[in-house]
Amino acid sequence: AQRVTQPEKLLSVFKGAPVELKCNYSYSGSPELFWYVQYSRQRLQLLLRHISRESIKGFTADLNKGETSFHLKKPFAQEEDSAMYYCALGSGGGADGLTFGKGTHLIIQP
Amino acid sequence: EAGVAQSPRYKIIEKRQSVAFWCNPISGHATLYWYQQILGQGPKLLIQFQNNGVVDDSQLPKDRFSAERLKGVDSTLKIQPAKLEDSAVYLCASSLAGTGVNNEQFFGPGTRLTVL
Repeated sequence: AQRVTQPEKLLSVFKGAPVELKCNYSYSGSPELFWYVQYSRQRLQLLLRHISRESIKGFTADLNKGETSFHLKKPFAQEEDSAMYYCALGSGGGADGLTFGKGTHLIIQP
Repeated sequence: EAGVAQSPRYKIIEKRQSVAFWCNPISGHATLYWYQQILGQGPKLLIQFQNNGVVDDSQLPKDRFSAERLKGVDSTLKIQPAKLEDSAVYLCASSLAGTGVNNEQFFGPGTRLTVL
């Protein structure tokens, strides 16, 4: 069965400090991993996906198949990064509904 | 480009009543998803449509939940009868296609259901 674990419900860091949001997954096949973000009073939206190997808003995430992890990182947090972050797993193929983690509420303190 | 539209935004009903939610995906998006998000949890997939066919409904409680996408565009999700544990935000999402870089899912604002 697919499972996504985000161990931190809440993460609070100061502006300018590094940020790492943890995500571990369980999946027997070849996973597709995503990070979705929900800013206050906005819709859930895609932040980045592992297949693109991109940096969005200064965030990066590397898929580590050995550790089954997809941690989200940013070297210097900004106040506008405060939001709910969800790690999500897609099974690929034709059926690609996502399995989401419970989310991490990131608060950037000034 | 208009986003995914959902209505109503809020609904309060009593247990054992029926309720229906409506979703209009982004124009041209073949794939449509319904998720249930209970407070404090991540979204959970209920059903996925590809055009007007069901791709995955393995997590849909079929004794009380039903969904349709008759013309391959709009979709409705129904609960009959509702239980207290159905209180949640119901999210609709759509994507261009099912796989690869086209599978970014665009979410609607959600319908917040409270069952009393």
